[in-house]
Amino acid sequence: AQSVAQPEDQVNVAEGNPLTVKCTYSVSGNPYLFWYVQYPNRGLQFLLKYITGDNLVKGSYGFEAEFNKSQTSFHLKKPSALVSDSALYFCAVISSGGYNKLIFGAGTRLAVHP
Amino acid sequence: DSGVTQTPKHLITATGQRVTLRCSPRSGDLSVYWYQQSLDQGLQFLIQYYNGEERAKGNILERFSAQQFPDLHSELNLSSLELGDSALYFCASSSGTGGSPLHFGNGTRLTVT
Repeated sequence: AQSVAQPEDQVNVAEGNPLTVKCTYSVSGNPYLFWYVQYPNRGLQFLLKYITGDNLVKGSYGFEAEFNKSQTSFHLKKPSALVSDSALYFCAVISSGGYNKLIFGAGTRLAVHP
Repeated sequence: DSGVTQTPKHLITATGQRVTLRCSPRSGDLSVYWYQQSLDQGLQFLIQYYNGEERAKGNILERFSAQQFPDLHSELNLSSLELGDSALYFCASSSGTGGSPLHFGNGTRLTVT
C-alpha cells in the first residue's frame, strides 16, 4: 500500500536561514509526488509536484523539492525562510495507477522565527 | 482563491443528526474528492467521483455517503452523527488526469455536540 512519512512534527528555523521539510514515500510503480501548504482556517494550497524529469522541482513562493529515487525521498526546501512561511506542510503521493487519489503524510508544522 | 466552493463554512449539530455538506468544483474540473481532517487522524481520504461516477473509496464510514450530480457539484451526507465525527471536511477538485494537482476548498468545520 502506498504511504507517506513526514518524520518531523515541527521544524523551527530562523528567518533568512535555509529550511528543509522532510518526506519519504512508499509506492508500487512510479510515484507522483506533491507538496501542499495549509494556513490556519484555510484549505490546502498546491506548492509543487514531481511527475517525471529533473529531480529538482521548483514551485510557488520560492519553494523547491528534490526527488531522490534511491532514498525514496522528496524533501521540501527553501534557501531563505520568511516568517510568513510559517504554516503546516503536507507531502502527498499518488501511485501511477491510483486515479489521482492523493495520500497525505501527517504534516509538518514549520515555525520561522524573526 | 482555489475556485472550489464549500458550504456551509461552519456547522454545529447534535449527536444522532444528519447533515449535508456541499461542494462546487473549479470550472472545468471533472473529479471531486472528499477528505476529513481531524487532529488525531490527520488528512483522511474519504471518496472520489469522476464525472458523476464513484472512482475510489477510502476510509469512509457506512454512515457517510456522497454523490456527484450532473452539474458536477458534489454533496457529502453524514448521518447518525457521533462526537468523533467532529472535524474539518475538505472538498477538492482536479481535471482527473494523471498527476494533475488537487485544488482544495476552505473546508466545512463540523462540530457535533
